[in-house]
Amino acid sequence: DAGVIQSPRHEVTEMGQEVTLRCKPISGHDYLFWYRQTMMRGLELLIYFNNNVPIDDSGMPEDRFSAKMPNASFSTLKIQPSEPRDSAVYFCASSNRAHPSGANVLTFGAGSRLTVL
Amino acid sequence: SQQGEEDPQALSIQEGENATMNCSYKTSINNLQWYRQNSGRGLVHLILIRSNEREKHSGRLRVTLDTSKKSSSLLITASRAADTASYFCAYSGAGSYQLTFGKGTKLSVIP
Repeated sequence: DAGVIQSPRHEVTEMGQEVTLRCKPISGHDYLFWYRQTMMRGLELLIYFNNNVPIDDSGMPEDRFSAKMPNASFSTLKIQPSEPRDSAVYFCASSNRAHPSGANVLTFGAGSRLTVL
Repeated sequence: SQQGEEDPQALSIQEGENATMNCSYKTSINNLQWYRQNSGRGLVHLILIRSNEREKHSGRLRVTLDTSKKSSSLLITASRAADTASYFCAYSGAGSYQLTFGKGTKLSVIP
């Protein structure tokens, strides 16, 4: 398996533009998580899905952020309109509830570094 | 915020020395995990310790957990330059599946 695949790896955009980040989780994983990482706030959970259904979106900063998971192999995180304070690294991670440990062991993608000018 | 705290925030050691990082958390937990993040990369799972365990080993890694003090430590023995990275603890609260991450310890191992 190629692991969790995220695109784009880097995105530079201007304030007000729409940004779409993409994620392909590991095949067979039934949970998908979107995290945001900044120096000031560390890693923040934005939203997570179980079997393509959003379970908890309480970490989504505001209505400008939305996430979808139309099928088991694809998820998007959209920011519209983008603002400079959205600049961060956005990580997608997936996990399998049937992990031998019974715990939520995450496999992360390489991240999408977003810069909003 | 229920976010965990690691200390120190940064640690610089010579190759061959041991590195110890600590994590404190605020809630009851099911398990605690440690992840490593190399610069510009995603996080990688290192080791997991359950709430009913006190110590766990994996290669050069040793993790301890003290649930009465709500703290954990990660020891890396005989450090190598390749261990240079940021290390994060992460935990699930009782009854919860989502992970909360600490702010991390940045480890620099000098050759």
